[in-house]
Amino acid sequence: GNSVTQMEGPVTLSEEAFLTINCTYTATGYPSLFWYVQYPGEGLQLLLKATKADDKGSNKGFEATYRKETTSFHLEKGSVQVSDSAVYFCRRYGGSQGNLIFGKGTKLSVKP
Amino acid sequence: SAVISQKPSRDICQRGTSLTIQCQVDSQVTMMFWYRQQPGQSLTLIATANQGSEATYESGFVIDKFPISRPNLTFSTLTVSNMSPEDSSIYLCSVGRGGDFNEQFFGPGTRLTVL
Repeated sequence: GNSVTQMEGPVTLSEEAFLTINCTYTATGYPSLFWYVQYPGEGLQLLLKATKADDKGSNKGFEATYRKETTSFHLEKGSVQVSDSAVYFCRRYGGSQGNLIFGKGTKLSVKP
Repeated sequence: SAVISQKPSRDICQRGTSLTIQCQVDSQVTMMFWYRQQPGQSLTLIATANQGSEATYESGFVIDKFPISRPNLTFSTLTVSNMSPEDSSIYLCSVGRGGDFNEQFFGPGTRLTVL
């Protein structure tokens, strides 16, 4: 069935390290792909999105490229900050069905 | 974007009781969604609520346990009925925008603890 698979956390990095959080999806058709961020004690916020193959979403220094050939939408940031500590959720929407599917979330902790 | 508020922000309830969670949006929206986020888990969609029609429930969720109201285009409620400790979770209200409502905005959540 349609699903999203994220790398398991927690991920602990030092400040200014390079971040990659993997996300792969299964879906028939062409879903839209999203990354959401949930800071401690807050609700989810949309971080970035891509709606078709080869699109790159970017925001706050984060990037993710919609790669249809590998069914992936990995989140990257070149230099993380302590303020990036949060839980990150990959999400797919659409394809052959209008499902709203979230990954399990990846907790990121950035140490000074 | 949309500004979404939820009440209460948190509550501690006794087994067997019911709690109604309110969700208010600062603009009119067609689709509203209710999610559950259990500790350390991802979000699970409970139901989709359109104004003026019955909510559509996902597999594993039923109206008797999670009745939903959608009286207008800016407001919805979710009731967690006959609660048990397994219902302890964060409940999130969300609205959809864009084509096929694919872009979602979330409320801050209601943290429910059932004793």
